Amino acid sequence: IAGITQAPTSQILAAGRRMTLRCTQDMRHNAMYWYRQDLGLGLRLIHYSNTAGTTGKGEVPDGYSVSRANTDDFPLTLASAVPSQTSVYFCASSDSAGTDTQYFGPGTRLTVL
Amino acid sequence: GQNIDQPTEMTATEGAIVQINCTYQTSGFNGLFWYQQHAGEAPTFLSYNVLDGLEEKGRFSSFLSRSKGYSYLLLKELQMKDSASYLCAGMDSNYQLIWGAGTKLIIKP
Repeated sequence: IAGITQAPTSQILAAGRRMTLRCTQDMRHNAMYWYRQDLGLGLRLIHYSNTAGTTGKGEVPDGYSVSRANTDDFPLTLASAVPSQTSVYFCASSDSAGTDTQYFGPGTRLTVL
Repeated sequence: GQNIDQPTEMTATEGAIVQINCTYQTSGFNGLFWYQQHAGEAPTFLSYNVLDGLEEKGRFSSFLSRSKGYSYLLLKELQMKDSASYLCAGMDSNYQLIWGAGTKLIIKP
């Protein structure tokens, strides 16, 4: 069982380019999340999905979009990358939305130049 | 507003005990989580408290006081592998986690 996988592991991207970060989980978890982690700041929620077919905005959604076509996959898209989106991005999942433990993927380190 | 405060960095000696404090302010409260994050890796779950008191899990214990908006993580018999960042996160009324910036724990031999 792999748990949660993310791709790519790292990426350097030119400003203005479109980029999709992939996240797949094999635990049949209903809820999935995207966070960004920046030095000196706590993890910040970008978007979430409580169940397949639904998505919601987190604390810092601007410049990002998500989709949840099925239970396993939750891609995050940067439509037109900007340098301030340079960060480490973590995908997480939990059995259900609520107090269930969130399990994290290994992260994607993104640099926007 | 919502806020989680924890020390930026702490240093302790191998074999000793260390307590990492966290104060929280959230809109509503649905529990307090602690995660461990080694450098360059993903956060991993350590503990969850929703009721006042101490929860013990091996060498790690977590305490919660809801009236004081306060929690701590206690690590006993420190090992070098415990060198990591420890993240405190409060869950608000919307069941969203509000994260602290993390406490980097340095263990010295």
